[in-house]
Amino acid sequence: GAGVSQSPSNKVTEKGKDVELRCDPISGHTALYWYRQSLGQGLEFLIYFQGNSAPDKSGLPSDRFSAERTGGSVSTLTIQRTQQEDSAVYLCASSSGTGANVLTFGAGSRLTVL
Amino acid sequence: SQKIEQNSEALNIQEGKTATLTCNYTNYSPAYLQWYRQDPGRGPVFLLLIRENEKEKRKERLKVTFDTTLKQSLFHITASQPADSATYLCALDMSGGGFKTIFGAGTRLFVKA
Repeated sequence: GAGVSQSPSNKVTEKGKDVELRCDPISGHTALYWYRQSLGQGLEFLIYFQGNSAPDKSGLPSDRFSAERTGGSVSTLTIQRTQQEDSAVYLCASSSGTGANVLTFGAGSRLTVL
Repeated sequence: SQKIEQNSEALNIQEGKTATLTCNYTNYSPAYLQWYRQDPGRGPVFLLLIRENEKEKRKERLKVTFDTTLKQSLFHITASQPADSATYLCALDMSGGGFKTIFGAGTRLFVKA
């Protein structure tokens, strides 16, 4: 597509429920990133995928968080047994994966855990 | 590990003045450093990239410098306008030539008319 698309744009869930956030990157972009941004804070790196390489999961805060990227395109970030501290905006970005690594971001998915 | 430091205090300036934002990093110098703009409720948007062998880069009213000795980048907006009000984020790669990109916390800029 023309840009990075994320869904849902807003998600309200109850503590303990599982949630899935979806990211559709720019067509042809081989690198895909997930970041978390809490209110008034900077971007916290979560995970990134580059081509067929094993993803760098070093930023995932706990084993409740996981992500996959199917067919080198769409990615899903899953948060199991959500906690109130998981409330944040989850941003996805993609890049061409070559040369200078300029990231194009989606609008984000705002997660609220009650 | 690599850390990025940006002034957490908001910067308030008068329209027409030059805004200068600072980005400091702690460890190795990255292959390149980037600046992004973020408006409320939106994802960051790329503005400028500067490579380690470049001292300065310009784009319209924007100028970025990169001092690998000081481990610092400065971001300037000349002839600032109220529309420049936003949060500006500094970003760099975690390992030379790699693609894991981390961001600073950003500096909020307010330009008063």
